[in-house]
Amino acid sequence: SYELAQPPSVSVSPGQTASITCSGDKLGDKYICWYQQKSGQSPVLVIYQDSKRPSGIPARFSGSNSGNTATLTIRGTQAVDEADYYCQTWDSGTVVFGGGTKLTVL
Amino acid sequence: QITLKESGPTLVKPTQTLTLTCTFSGFSLSTTGVAVGWFRQPPGKALEWLALIYWDDDKRYSPSLNSRLTITKDTSKNQVVLIMTNMDPVDTATYFCSYILTNNWFAPWGQGTLVTVSS
Repeated sequence: SYELAQPPSVSVSPGQTASITCSGDKLGDKYICWYQQKSGQSPVLVIYQDSKRPSGIPARFSGSNSGNTATLTIRGTQAVDEADYYCQTWDSGTVVFGGGTKLTVL
Repeated sequence: QITLKESGPTLVKPTQTLTLTCTFSGFSLSTTGVAVGWFRQPPGKALEWLALIYWDDDKRYSPSLNSRLTITKDTSKNQVVLIMTNMDPVDTATYFCSYILTNNWFAPWGQGTLVTVSS
C-alpha cells in the first residue's frame, strides 16, 4: 500500500519560516492536501491541489509538490500556527494520510 | 453552508459492533461527485481514513479494516452510517466524518465523537 512519510516534529521561532515535508513514491504525480489540526479540534484544510489555499487561510501558508516530496511552508510563523499538520493524497481510489508533524513555535 | 455532525455511543464493550451516524446539511448525497468520508484518530495519534461513500453508492474502505467496516447512506435523511464490527480497545478514538467533492479535498469536517472501547 502507498505510504506518506512526515517528520514527527518541526520547531520554528516566531516570525521565521517553517517547512514541513511529506514524502512518497512519485508523490509529484499526485495531488496533495494539507490539514491543520489544533489541539482538541477537527482538521482544517489549509492547502489543496498541492499549492492552492482555501478562502480564509492566510497567505503565509503555501505548498509545493515535486518528485517524491511535497512541502508545506509557513512564512512568518505565528504562535497560532502551532498545531499538527497532516498531508493527504489518493492512491488507487483510497485515501492516504501521512503520520502527521507537530509544529512547535518556540 | 455545509455542516456535518457525528453521533453514536461513547462507550462500547470489546467484541461489540459500533454504529456511528454522520448527519449533514448544506448538500445532497445524491448530487454527482459528492461523497462523505469517515476517519478516526486514537488519542495522541495520527488521523486514519476508514471509509468513503459516493453519490452513486460506490463505496471504498481502508484495506487494513475492510473486513470490519460497512458504510451506507440514507439520502432522504441526509445521513451516512458507519458500522464497525468486533470492537477492541485499540479502536478507542475520536471518529470524524467529512464532505468531499469529486475526489478532491476533505472539507469541512464534523466535530468528531469520542468512542471508548472498554469492558
